[in-house]
Amino acid sequence: EAQVTQNPRYLITVTGKKLTVTCSQNMNHEYMSWYRQDPGLGLRQIYYSMNVEVTDKGDVPEGYKVSRKEKRNFPLILESPSPNQTSLYFCASSFSRSSYEQYFGPGTRLTVT
Amino acid sequence: SQQGEEDPQALSIQEGENATMNCSYKTSINNLQWYRQNSGRGLVHLILIRSNEREKHSGRLRVTLDTSKKSSSLLITASRAADTASYFCATDEARGETSGSRLTFGEGTQLTVNP
Repeated sequence: EAQVTQNPRYLITVTGKKLTVTCSQNMNHEYMSWYRQDPGLGLRQIYYSMNVEVTDKGDVPEGYKVSRKEKRNFPLILESPSPNQTSLYFCASSFSRSSYEQYFGPGTRLTVT
Repeated sequence: SQQGEEDPQALSIQEGENATMNCSYKTSINNLQWYRQNSGRGLVHLILIRSNEREKHSGRLRVTLDTSKKSSSLLITASRAADTASYFCATDEARGETSGSRLTFGEGTQLTVNP
C-alpha cells in the first residue's frame, strides 16, 4: 500500500531534550516536506526536499533540522525543543515538486513541557 | 496574511445541501489544490486545478479558478454527514523550474454537515 509513515505518533518531552521524528514513504517520490499545524494558523511549511541531499527552508525553519540521505526517508530533528514547538507535525511527499498532489502522513502530535 | 485564505472559516449545513468554500491568494500560481482533513488526521488530496484551467469536476466536487481575481471555489454537491471535515486550499506559486518548490496552505474551512 502506498503510504507515508511517521513515528512516533505522539510524543511528550521536556525542553532541551533532542528528538527526531521519522518520516518514510514507499512511493519513490522525489519531493518531501514537513509542516506544522497550529490552531488559527493553518499548515506552515518547515523544510522541504526536492531530492536526495537537496533540502531548503520553508516558512518556519527556526529550531528545526532535516536531512535527506535516502530518497525514502526525511527525518525532522529538533536539537533543543522548546514549548513553542508544541504542535501537530505532518510529513508529506509527492512525485516531483509541489506541483503534484501531496501524500500526507498521519501526523505526530508533539508536546514540549 | 497567508497566500491562501479560505472563506468562510466555518460552515454548517444540512445533509443534501450544497457547500461552497472560497479561497483567495496573492501571487501568480502554477496550480491550486484542495485538501480535506478529518479531525487531527493527515490531509487527503481532493483535486488539483492548473492555472490555465477554469473549472474541474471530480464526483460531487466542482472547483473553479479565476486567476484574474486570484480566487478559487470548492463546491460539494448533495453533502453527506461523512463530508464533515476541514477543507484547505493550497497554492503552488509560480517560481520557475529551477527555483524552490513550495505549497502554501490557507487556514481552512471547517464544514459541518448535520444529518
